[in-house]
Amino acid sequence: GAVVSQHPSWVICKSGTSVKIECRSLDFQATTMFWYRQFPKQSLMLMATSNEGSKATYEQGVEKDKFLINHASLTLSTLTVTSAHPEDSSFYICSARSADGYGYTFGSGTRLTVV
Amino acid sequence: EDKVVQSPLSLVVHEGDTVTLNCSYEVTNFRSLLWYKQEKKAPTFLFMLTSSGIEKKSGRLSSILDKKELFSILNITATQTGDSAIYLCAVGGGATNKLIFGTGTLLAVQP
Repeated sequence: GAVVSQHPSWVICKSGTSVKIECRSLDFQATTMFWYRQFPKQSLMLMATSNEGSKATYEQGVEKDKFLINHASLTLSTLTVTSAHPEDSSFYICSARSADGYGYTFGSGTRLTVV
Repeated sequence: EDKVVQSPLSLVVHEGDTVTLNCSYEVTNFRSLLWYKQEKKAPTFLFMLTSSGIEKKSGRLSSILDKKELFSILNITATQTGDSAIYLCAVGGGATNKLIFGTGTLLAVQP
């Protein structure tokens, strides 16, 4: 079945630095990738939708200059958290939509801790 | 505004009990409703529903969709402690066919 590989699984960084999270679709072409963040004991909140070769669409309240999304190829989408602060600490997870538009495959998630 | 609402928010039961989790939605251009189980990491896929009235079943879990009343239920029979998790309902749709998650139901099964 479809597999999305997400790296890193966890990362600790210092305040003010940037962190890049990668999601790769291993055996299919992901034209659309969704990025979510999740705080403890809460649901997944959609941050942005990225389409291959075009600019990402950000949800209301999400700073596009802080959370940079790049979807340069059909198999790779990246999320860069710039100038990270402790309040950015969260679980970030990507999801690729299937070509038929009905199914979704999730990455394994990245737990980011900013100290 | 597209939204997905789950109830209850949390639930504590004893092993052997049967539970019903609810998910209602208001999403334009509905395409699919999905149920996930989340323990410590990424959500694990349970069911995808696209048609009304057709029950999907997997072991002790089952789910059904009502597209007229805009809701779905997830049933778990003979619950076990391993069923303790957050159960997430998500709907694919909206103007850009995105996946919108509900608030989640935290289920705790006590021995």
